[in-house]
Amino acid sequence: EVQLVQSGAEVKKPGESLKISCKGSGYSFTNYWIGWVRQMPGKGLEWVGIIYPGDSDARYNPSFQGQVTISADKSISTAYLQWSSLKASDTAMYFCARHVGDSGSDYWGQGTLVTVSS
Amino acid sequence: DIQMTQSPSSLSASVGDRVTITCRASQTISNYLNWYQQKPGKAPKLLIHAASRLQGGVPSRFRGSGSGTYFTLTISSLQPEDIATYYCQQSYTTSVTFGQGTRLEIK
Repeated sequence: EVQLVQSGAEVKKPGESLKISCKGSGYSFTNYWIGWVRQMPGKGLEWVGIIYPGDSDARYNPSFQGQVTISADKSISTAYLQWSSLKASDTAMYFCARHVGDSGSDYWGQGTLVTVSS
Repeated sequence: DIQMTQSPSSLSASVGDRVTITCRASQTISNYLNWYQQKPGKAPKLLIHAASRLQGGVPSRFRGSGSGTYFTLTISSLQPEDIATYYCQQSYTTSVTFGQGTRLEIK
């Protein structure tokens, strides 16, 4: 069974760093893109970026370029989304999803709620 | 980036109604168009991929069509469990984009 399991909710202060994770199982992790999606409170879905764990090729939505870093450790089938200096505007639910270009994002993690508040 | 424009932004319909949501791309995306259903507090669920291919386990009342720049999602007979927000997504490039969403309510 394909599963993506994300790390738990986080509460951070502005300026702090954070790395959240997404662990895949039940399929060949290195052969599928993993995308990250942001959903701010009461808002729609925004594509943050995507990574191919096989070679760590990462691509970013221009709106998020330089604001976050996407990485992966294929030895433990885990993808990451990280911030070096959080802002209050980063408060959102973040989802990871397995993504195939011609088939969409077919499996999703449960989401990680990130709250940034002083 | 390819912009996706979804309409309407919200829709109220009765059980049994036929409901149609449209999605337009700012440039041609062939059939690289996917539809998702999201219920409150849940992750999105893929309903249709490649514009018209129903994902396994999705009821046949959901139908997708279109190609190029114009796409539609139709629910042939609205059921109470279909209350959700629906999003289109283009996956023509790895710079994926979503429509702004359509909130579907029961009248």
